Amino acid sequence: GQQVMQIPQYQHVQEGEDFTTYCNSSTTLSNIQWYKQRPGGHPVFLIQLVKSGEVKKQKRLTFQFGEAKKNSSLHITATQTTDVGTYFCAGPTGTASKLTFGTGTRLQVTL
Amino acid sequence: DTEVTQTPKHLVMGMTNKKSLKCEQHMGHRAMYWYKQKAKKPPELMFVYSYEKLSINESVPSRFSPECPNSSLLNLHLHALQPEDSALYLCASSHHILNSGNTIYFGEGSWLTVV
Repeated sequence: GQQVMQIPQYQHVQEGEDFTTYCNSSTTLSNIQWYKQRPGGHPVFLIQLVKSGEVKKQKRLTFQFGEAKKNSSLHITATQTTDVGTYFCAGPTGTASKLTFGTGTRLQVTL
Repeated sequence: DTEVTQTPKHLVMGMTNKKSLKCEQHMGHRAMYWYKQKAKKPPELMFVYSYEKLSINESVPSRFSPECPNSSLLNLHLHALQPEDSALYLCASSHHILNSGNTIYFGEGSWLTVV
């Protein structure tokens, strides 16, 4: 079945440093979505990318969808403690109405 | 804040109990989902309802029984659960099923502990 892997599994940065998580799918995705889950919270939708090579920005967050639509990245510039949480990419699989989540990257930010 | 409301937020139940998790959305979405999430793992799909009909059952054990009484409500009936079923149960909804590229919106989840 389809697999969606993310690296790194965990990253600890100091506030102000940059952070990037990478998402790789075993199959081509029609679109990719990114979610953030705070500790003890629920996944919150951040953004959806649809076009090959698409880049979208939300303040300090930059999202990119690969040319082959099999990978994606999320880059955070100058992290803040409010960025703490687990970031998941997710993509719909095949003909099923199913969103497959990546393995997630847990971000810890300290002062 | 999420527009998908789940109750209860926390539930502790014995292995012989029968309980239900409830989910409600008023966004006019016609697809609703149940996900299960274990600690430090991604959410895993359990069921998908599209226009109040069960569209996908990801080979979930029969001790979990979903129900969609109408387009706004989704229930998950629980019976004879095992301790390993303890997890965060997330309800979600989207305008239509995901093939259309719709995003899904999660509720805050119900933390279930089976003792």
